[in-house]
Amino acid sequence: QSALTQPASVSGSPGQSITISCTGSSSDIGAYDYVSWNQQYPGKAPKLIIYDVNNRPSGVSTRFSGSKSGDTASLTISGLQAEDEATYYCSSYGNSNFLVFGGGTKLTVL
Amino acid sequence: QLQLQESGPGLVKSSETLSLTCTVSGGSIRSSSSYWAWIRQPPGKGLEWIGSIFHSGSSYLNPSLMRRVNMSIDKSKSQFSLRVDSVTAADRAVYFCARISWTWHIDLWGRGTLVTVS
Repeated sequence: QSALTQPASVSGSPGQSITISCTGSSSDIGAYDYVSWNQQYPGKAPKLIIYDVNNRPSGVSTRFSGSKSGDTASLTISGLQAEDEATYYCSSYGNSNFLVFGGGTKLTVL
Repeated sequence: QLQLQESGPGLVKSSETLSLTCTVSGGSIRSSSSYWAWIRQPPGKGLEWIGSIFHSGSSYLNPSLMRRVNMSIDKSKSQFSLRVDSVTAADRAVYFCARISWTWHIDLWGRGTLVTVS
């Protein structure tokens, strides 16, 4: 069970949209719609922002959306705001009751 | 509102055993739609799932750690625990306890506790 692959960093200007990719395999992302995304600020616990590929928990901004195609999931943040600057982690359920994370993507708002 | 709180020594000697407990408050540890989990994060690095345990006591462990890891649950105390044997410097990390839904997303995190190996 290898870690999911995310870009180490992405950046965007306020108001723009950015997309973070998360690539897995046919044993995890490609096999199940159990992809989630967490947002983490330095020194804080992560916070769930997307679950089951494209569902938002109550209270999470509609500017966050998720999708999946084949073995790759994506997180899109529209209308970028300064408060979105954080590290984003994808995760997926994998075969044999296993949870795998991506390496994390640091988002910089320019 | 349900909350999770990690507790345990912040310093463990190399080759010894790391033991942490997570206390569940404001809700039931007996939920049939959730697992309880441990995740760790070495300083400056990414997240690693250690394992998950159901209220029945059945557990799933990360194969890369399962030879050294044990998880248990004490429903009477609303606590679940983690034990990592034979720790090394590589086990230095912030350890989070968490709740995992039946679709395997982590919908609640503890604050985390830093464990250092000397």
